[in-house]
Amino acid sequence: DQQVKQNSPSLSVQEGRISILNCDYTNSMFDYFLWYKKYPAEGPTFLISISSIKDKNEDGRFTVFLNKSAKHLSLHIVPSQPGDSAVYFCAAASSFEAAGNKLTFGGGTRVLVKP
Amino acid sequence: GAGVSQSPRYKVAKRGQDVALRCDPISGHVSLFWYQQALGQGPEFLTYFQNEAQLDKSGLPSDRFFAERPEGSVSTLKIQRTQQEDSAVYLCASSLAGAGFETQYFGPGTRLLVL
Repeated sequence: DQQVKQNSPSLSVQEGRISILNCDYTNSMFDYFLWYKKYPAEGPTFLISISSIKDKNEDGRFTVFLNKSAKHLSLHIVPSQPGDSAVYFCAAASSFEAAGNKLTFGGGTRVLVKP
Repeated sequence: GAGVSQSPRYKVAKRGQDVALRCDPISGHVSLFWYQQALGQGPEFLTYFQNEAQLDKSGLPSDRFFAERPEGSVSTLKIQRTQQEDSAVYLCASSLAGAGFETQYFGPGTRLLVL
């Protein structure tokens, strides 16, 4: 049973436009959410995070929105740039875990930004 | 500063062979995680260390998988009698310990292919 889902396996967007990536979760114990970006042959790189006490967090071109009642979060990239072409993973963690903050990942969304 | 490093980057093993994968976390990071990423999927949690103590090994898929971190820094993930289904990218991540959630920083991964 997938606790974190990214229902869009791929997304194509024109340079300069907005990219919107979506993520849904089922475990109500999750209270911290992150987005990672991954290039081929590299490890995931941390992008932005949000705690469940907030509904929005912004960092430069990246904004994450959290809708707790819908168990849904999204990542907005504005404006999109060709260097943003990568696979994006949504991840969730629970502070109720007995040990550590292990991450549960979605399956990823491949983003292609066309020049 | 230096990030998380992993070696080898690529490993080809014959079915039944034992392999050992190494992770050097960021200096001073107390927490260390191992994840397994199958082709086309998101990473999945394997095990977690706080210093030298293995506090969570609930994600290890079988007793053929063993991890250690004897001095609280470098960690080794060992897979005995490898099977074809063990083929995946093995990712290591580290984070600072402290109150609240700490961001996990990932290494480049070891791509294991079992023939």
